[in-house]
Amino acid sequence: QSVLTQPPSVSGAPGRRVTISCTGSSSNIGAGYDVHWYQQLPRTAPKLLIYGNVNRPSGVPDRFSGSRSGTSASLAITGLQAEDEADYYCQSYDISLSGWVFGGGTKVTVL
Amino acid sequence: EVQLVESGGGLVQPGRSLRLSCVASGFTFDDYAMHWVRQAPGKGLEWVSGISWHGGTIGYADSVKGRFTISRDNAKNSLYLQMNSLRAEDTAFYYCAKDQRSGWYSVDFWGQGTLVTVSS
Repeated sequence: QSVLTQPPSVSGAPGRRVTISCTGSSSNIGAGYDVHWYQQLPRTAPKLLIYGNVNRPSGVPDRFSGSRSGTSASLAITGLQAEDEADYYCQSYDISLSGWVFGGGTKVTVL
Repeated sequence: EVQLVESGGGLVQPGRSLRLSCVASGFTFDDYAMHWVRQAPGKGLEWVSGISWHGGTIGYADSVKGRFTISRDNAKNSLYLQMNSLRAEDTAFYYCAKDQRSGWYSVDFWGQGTLVTVSS
């Protein structure tokens, strides 16, 4: 059971919009710690997708966007493309655990 | 170009020890915190341990506390993970990961990972 809760899977048709939720608690996201998102394509190392809740590293398409509110955060992918099929993870810091926590991961399928 | 190259993985019996190494290049190593993150086959990411730029702040996941030790040698641009009393549940790919900041924040570069298999 991960400290940050994500749906196991989401799917959408090409061109559509999907969102992935990341639900935490008062000891992590709710305490004001930033949320970061990673994309992991099959058989590769993860890649930073969103940092500081809403910021995209250089080279990440603006189809990807992040938000945070209360004890939760979300990742949105608009204009879904076949190359977006991957696993997505959220990450934050937990003050009770004195360490990082990851969500369990969400598999995005493009129909 | 940032590169993180892990080594030291392999097959080890339960209860034995293993030491992972990560050599960094392409950035000023002692400006950034570093982490080890692992992923069991077919499972999600799990943060294992982190160390600040100067080694003054160190932390561990509860699952490895007391068994694993993280360290760094800034003169050698290297990060290490000493793993003792290994268990079957420690079987995973272990990624060396560079933080975006000198303290703990997020990972902006990942190594390719080294596989640790704990089995008799």
